Amino acid sequence: GQSLEQPSEVTAVEGAIVQINCTYQTSGFYGLSWYQQHDGGAPTFLSYNALDGLEETGRFSSFLSRSDSYGYLLLQELQMKDSASYFCAVSLFSGSARQLTFGSGTQLTVLP
Amino acid sequence: GAVVSQHPSRVICKSGTSVKIECRSLDFQATTMFWYRQFPKQSLMLMATSNEGSKATYEQGVEKDKFLINHASLTLSTLTVTSAHPEDSSFYICSASTGTGGETQYFGPGTRLLVL
Repeated sequence: GQSLEQPSEVTAVEGAIVQINCTYQTSGFYGLSWYQQHDGGAPTFLSYNALDGLEETGRFSSFLSRSDSYGYLLLQELQMKDSASYFCAVSLFSGSARQLTFGSGTQLTVLP
Repeated sequence: GAVVSQHPSRVICKSGTSVKIECRSLDFQATTMFWYRQFPKQSLMLMATSNEGSKATYEQGVEKDKFLINHASLTLSTLTVTSAHPEDSSFYICSASTGTGGETQYFGPGTRLLVL
């Protein structure tokens, strides 16, 4: 089976930097994705890492270490609108498309 | 690009009735669609994987006779919750993938189902 662990809650202030960690145990691992979900909304894709290292997309960066089965999402220059749930998800092969298994989510609260 | 729509966005029904949810990829062909269920304050749980023209693959614990999935075309998949009960009340979300090995799943806006 697959399991992912991430903190349930993180709180930070506007302008700060926050890191959300994710550790996983899985077979057939292809990569690690991060999704953002606001209350009542659908998940939106943030980033994907298939190889070790850091991927940067604007204020958000994501890191993967395959040997450590570990990754993190780094959010810089936090804004109030970043308050949301953040899910890491591992990609598993399923037929012609990669199946996703989601972590339990981290609720990020950004304070003024 | 890569827009996925779901209809309806919200539905309230009586216990024992069936509810159909549509998932459409609007600007791309989705060889594979996924159906998830999310209870409040919880993660997305994969229910089934649907490939166009073939039977859906259900996750362990998901009743295929209760959650009927039809992926009739490359742009449409439907989920029918048959004989819905209050415990089926949840947020149902579909996602679509081009199936070309790309890592991104594009999610629909979700359907909130309330069974009375």
